[in-house]
Amino acid sequence: DADVTQTPRNRITKTGKRIMLECSQTKGHDRMYWYRQDPGLGLRLIYYSFDVKDINKGEISDGYSVSRQAQAKFSLSLESAIPNQTALYFCATSDRGQGGYTFGSGTRLTVV
Amino acid sequence: GEDVEQSLFLSVREGDSSVINCTYTDSSSTYLYWYKQEPGAGLQLLTYIFSNMDMKQDQRLTVLLNKKDKHLSLRIADTQTGDSAIYFCATTRDNYGQNFVFGPGTRLSVLP
Repeated sequence: DADVTQTPRNRITKTGKRIMLECSQTKGHDRMYWYRQDPGLGLRLIYYSFDVKDINKGEISDGYSVSRQAQAKFSLSLESAIPNQTALYFCATSDRGQGGYTFGSGTRLTVV
Repeated sequence: GEDVEQSLFLSVREGDSSVINCTYTDSSSTYLYWYKQEPGAGLQLLTYIFSNMDMKQDQRLTVLLNKKDKHLSLRIADTQTGDSAIYFCATTRDNYGQNFVFGPGTRLSVLP
């Protein structure tokens, strides 16, 4: 099994719909992150969490919300999806004291 | 804020060396990383270097850091078709994640 699992892998949704992307990890890491990838823009941080009670906004949090249900689970919600939220979304984890991330395989979201 | 730049595309012939370049603006960047993204997959940490080093070698990979010019490069010796991927440069000042900045990625194409 993958260390960081994202579901769904692909999703097409309509404008205005609420959608949740889920992430779970078996690394035992405290820190979890949600990134968005757009071609030519690299990865941009949406939200991050350093433990279950800690949630922080990243560079592009508008239009998104998150929930850290447990150490191993971190979900990203789009309350009312819009077409410019079409992107590849990655969840990542890291260990305290280490800078490198472990990434999930990504969720490709299309908003029509 | 911090900016990380990379060329978007690079093509090399199989067996040649590839050099992927990255420039960054934050002189306080302490940890510098190279990630590889294969099609349909998440980012995989390839290697990293601390700012107090100027070179790191790991099998076919050589990372060079010029702190004065804020320039980071990744050299792949004897490039193979399996090296075709997008390579991301990333920097951070610390291990806390909130100012972990990715470049736009360089798509490496290896020609037979």
